[in-house]
Amino acid sequence: EVQLVQSGAEVKKPGESLKISCKGSGYSFTSYWIGWVRQMPGKGLEWMGIIYPGDSDTRYSPSFQGQVTISADKSISTAYLQWSSLKASDTAMYYCARLLERAPGYWGQGTLVTVSS
Amino acid sequence: DVVMTQSPLSLPVTLGQPASISCRSSQSLVYSDGNTYLNWFQQRPGQSPRRLIYKVSNRDSGVPDRFSGSGSGTDFTLKISRVEAEDVGVYYCMQGTHWPGTFGQGTKVEIK
Repeated sequence: EVQLVQSGAEVKKPGESLKISCKGSGYSFTSYWIGWVRQMPGKGLEWMGIIYPGDSDTRYSPSFQGQVTISADKSISTAYLQWSSLKASDTAMYYCARLLERAPGYWGQGTLVTVSS
Repeated sequence: DVVMTQSPLSLPVTLGQPASISCRSSQSLVYSDGNTYLNWFQQRPGQSPRRLIYKVSNRDSGVPDRFSGSGSGTDFTLKISRVEAEDVGVYYCMQGTHWPGTFGQGTKVEIK
């Protein structure tokens, strides 16, 4: 069974850094693209970027390029989303998702990030 | 980016009655391999999204057959043949043909 298990909720202050994680199991982690989706409070879904853990090929949505970094450690089947300097506008639920047929076929449970002074 | 436009944005439905959601893309979703990567997702309150339909009309594993997808090119439809209480939530279309993939605004389905 494919499972994506994300790290727990975070509360941070503006300007702080953060790295959240998504551990995949039940499939060959290096053989499928995995990505991140943002959902701001009460809003819709936005693709942030994707990574192919097999060779670390990474693609960012133009809206998120330069704002976040996506990475993966294939030795522990884990993908990451990180910020170097958080803003209040980064407050959102973040989902990781494994692609299947060019779209999120499997989803993690979500990580709530709250940025507040 | 490809713009996905859904209608209606709110859909009150009666239990047991059919429901239909429309999704239109700003450009053709036919990919170079001949497939059309149009998806439908359901997000129940407080839950992660779940994909229902991929490549226009293919149901994901475990999805009830009351859900069906159709369409081509730039116009697509999700139909629920008989709405059940567990179908309440927000439904999103999403294209995976062009990078970055883009979602529609969402259609909130509620019971009358």
